Amino acid sequence: DAGVIQSPRHEVTEMGQEVTLRCKPISGHDYLFWYRQTMMRGLELLIYFNNNVPIDDSGMPEDRFSAKMPNASFSTLKIQPSEPRDSAVYFCASSLLWTGGLYEQYFGPGTRLTVT
Amino acid sequence: EDKVVQSPLSLVVHEGDTVTLNCSYEVTNFRSLLWYKQEKKAPTFLFMLTSSGIEKKSGRLSSILDKKELFSILNITATQTGDSAVYLCAVGVANDYKLSFGAGTTVTVRA
Repeated sequence: DAGVIQSPRHEVTEMGQEVTLRCKPISGHDYLFWYRQTMMRGLELLIYFNNNVPIDDSGMPEDRFSAKMPNASFSTLKIQPSEPRDSAVYFCASSLLWTGGLYEQYFGPGTRLTVT
Repeated sequence: EDKVVQSPLSLVVHEGDTVTLNCSYEVTNFRSLLWYKQEKKAPTFLFMLTSSGIEKKSGRLSSILDKKELFSILNITATQTGDSAVYLCAVGVANDYKLSFGAGTTVTVRA
């Protein structure tokens, strides 16, 4: 299996521009998570999906952030308009549900976003 | 609010030393505790500890869970430079599928 795939790996954009991050989860996994990691705040959960449905978006910082999962193999995280404080590494992770709870989450390589 | 605290924040050791990392937690309806290793890329899974599995071992790494005292320890014996990384602890709760991560412990192993 190729693992979780994210694109782009690096993104540099100017303040005010729209940014779209993409994720392909591991095939068969029914949970997908979007995280943001910074030195100051560590690894923060933004939103997660189950079977393509958003379950908890309480971590989404503000209305400038939106996420979609149109099918089981694709999700996007969009920031519009972007601001310098959005600069971070954004990770996507996927997992599988078993009767005792979730299996471990598998992380993608991340997208390093720099907003100037 | 769920709380996961790791200590120390960082440490430097020499090859061959033993390292002990701590993770304490305060959550409602604990279900699982996970350890991840993060080098300059994505976190990679090490162990999951639950009520039915409070001790895990893989090679030079081992971990225990103390559900009474609400903490976990990750031990690395005979450290190597390849063990240099940030080690993250995360806790999951029942009836929810998200993880709460600690700030991590940065381990530097010098040759």
